[in-house]
Amino acid sequence: ETGVTQTPRHLVMGMTNKKSLKCEQHLGHNAMYWYKQSAKKPLELMFVYNFKEQTENNSVPSRFSPECPNSSHLFLHLHTLQPEDSALYLCASSQDKLTGSNQPQHFGDGTRLSIL
Amino acid sequence: GESVGLHLPTLSVQEGDNSIINCAYSNSASDYFIWYKQESGKGPQFIIDIRSNMDKRQGQRVTVLLNKTVKHLSLQIAATQPGDSAVYFCVEGGYQKVTFGTGTKLQVIP
Repeated sequence: ETGVTQTPRHLVMGMTNKKSLKCEQHLGHNAMYWYKQSAKKPLELMFVYNFKEQTENNSVPSRFSPECPNSSHLFLHLHTLQPEDSALYLCASSQDKLTGSNQPQHFGDGTRLSIL
Repeated sequence: GESVGLHLPTLSVQEGDNSIINCAYSNSASDYFIWYKQESGKGPQFIIDIRSNMDKRQGQRVTVLLNKTVKHLSLQIAATQPGDSAVYFCVEGGYQKVTFGTGTKLQVIP
């Protein structure tokens, strides 16, 4: 049990589908992150939320739409994805955004996304 | 055995031997460093960290060494076990910015 739970663990979708990834943390943290992990590439930070406010969007295409209704939940809404979007999507949390770069982030086990 | 660099090399080590995984970081202003372990099908898991005011830190069977002069970080695993098989990657942090390395795959030969 990592304290950060992601669902679903696996997702296969067509390019015209709409789906959502969910992340939930039970650690009392106030910052949450979405990362993309592709084969043989470093983790790519996508979005950062700090106290429910989006503080960072690293030039992510608009077909990815994050939502953070409260500090414990984070969603990534997907629509009209491309084959190159197939990857492992990881959620992480930290006490807040400042400590997120000075203390370890806590990761979920990810959602393996495959785009047909 | 040893490995160098931030690409995804594979380090094969005999069970019971010591492992050394190396990492070259880029930003001389980084003042916080972390090693994560990622097993197949799982998310990254914190192993050990070190701040820039230290050059060595020890945990249970793991030691991290930091050489700020040459911007080099290493993770030493003593008496490597099959459960240590995973991808290990270093992270440089501080100043609200975190940079992840690509990782090194550690294979433990029984």
